[in-house]
Amino acid sequence: DQQVKQNSPSLSVQEGRISILNCDYTNSMFDYFLWYKKYPAEGPTFLISISSIKDKNEDGRFTVFLNKSAKHLSLHIVPSQPGDSAVYFCAARGNQGGKLIFGQGTELSVKP
Amino acid sequence: KAGVTQTPRYLIKTRGQQVTLSCSPISGHRSVSWYQQTPGQGLQFLFEYFSETQRNKGNFPGRFSGRQFSNSRSEMNVSTLELGDSALYLCASSSPGNDYYGYTFGSGTRLTVV
Repeated sequence: DQQVKQNSPSLSVQEGRISILNCDYTNSMFDYFLWYKKYPAEGPTFLISISSIKDKNEDGRFTVFLNKSAKHLSLHIVPSQPGDSAVYFCAARGNQGGKLIFGQGTELSVKP
Repeated sequence: KAGVTQTPRYLIKTRGQQVTLSCSPISGHRSVSWYQQTPGQGLQFLFEYFSETQRNKGNFPGRFSGRQFSNSRSEMNVSTLELGDSALYLCASSSPGNDYYGYTFGSGTRLTVV
């Protein structure tokens, strides 16, 4: 049972435009949500996170929105740059700590 | 400070063999988690160790095992390799209370089973 889902395997946007990556989850007990970015041949690197008590967190060009009633979160990248081209994973963690559960990933391609 | 180190980076094994992968966490991190990444499946959780004890385990067969040493270094072992075990195996370390940043990942070990 996939508790964290990223239903779009890929996304292509033009440089300078907004990229919106989506993630859905099923477990209402998750208390932390995180986004990771992964380049080929490298491990995922932390990008931004949000606690379940908030609905928005912003860090530079990256903003994560959390809609708990819909069990949905999204990552907005504005403006998108070619260097943002990578696979993005959302992840969630239960309120008793421990393991992160990841989605399948969305491959973002930002075209110049 | 040094990041998470995984060795080897690449490995080719024959079906039926066994393999051991190694992970050295960030200094001071006592929690180590292992994930398997395959195309279309994202990162599948294998297990988590904390202070030499397995704290969580994913839904993988018993052929997948791991351990953690007193210096927090961890190994995972896969016995009787199958073609479907070909994947990128990622290790991540974390520090208790570091909820905001989650895990720090190594670069992974690319295992190919032929």
